[in-house]
Amino acid sequence: QITLKESGPTLVKPTQTLTLTCTFSGFSLSTSGLGVGWIRQPPGKALEWLALIYWDDDKRYSPSLKRRLTITKDTSKTQVVLTMTNMDPVDTATYYCAHTSWCGSTSCYTFDPWGQGTLVTVSS
Amino acid sequence: QSALTQPASVSGSPGQSITISCTGTSSDVGSYNLVSWYQQHPGKAPKLMVYEGSKRPSGVSNRFSGSKSGNTASLTISGLQAEDAADYYCLSYSGSSTGVVFGGGTKLTVL
Repeated sequence: QITLKESGPTLVKPTQTLTLTCTFSGFSLSTSGLGVGWIRQPPGKALEWLALIYWDDDKRYSPSLKRRLTITKDTSKTQVVLTMTNMDPVDTATYYCAHTSWCGSTSCYTFDPWGQGTLVTVSS
Repeated sequence: QSALTQPASVSGSPGQSITISCTGTSSDVGSYNLVSWYQQHPGKAPKLMVYEGSKRPSGVSNRFSGSKSGNTASLTISGLQAEDAADYYCLSYSGSSTGVVFGGGTKLTVL
């Protein structure tokens, strides 16, 4: 059974850097074809894809947020970390991490399952 | 503004069928068979319902089906049940320069 859980601060100040950790079990990021993605959802609004990282350290970022995002993995600790710089109140959202994988020889960009999410509020 | 366009809301009575559309462009939905659909109940994490356009994950009811025509993907729910009431989001791959795009979400009300 695959499970994921997000952790990090619930409140950050504008201009600060947000660091979120996704701790997972039931799979290994040493296994070919597997990956973890991050998605966020502002209160009452739609989902927005942020980034993902694969077993081979291939990283993909949302073009609109690429300059502010860094995704890394710690295979031995079964964790993926997302950092977002220069936080702004519009970044207030629930941040989710989710398992993803390749289908055949290409990325599927399918997220399943998801963590429970963590609400991050940006306010001074 | 989301990259993929979904109706804000749809509704149906128990037992009926409804279809939620997800309209993109020839750069995303129209070019790749990588559309997935997610169900989200209030306060809960999204759940995968359909992937690669029309495939159902293990454990998802066969009342949920996906299809695509041109630049528009669709999710059909047959035999509506009260528990189907939720928000539904579509997702599509949009090429290496754009990555992944979501729809704006559709609120399904079961009357």
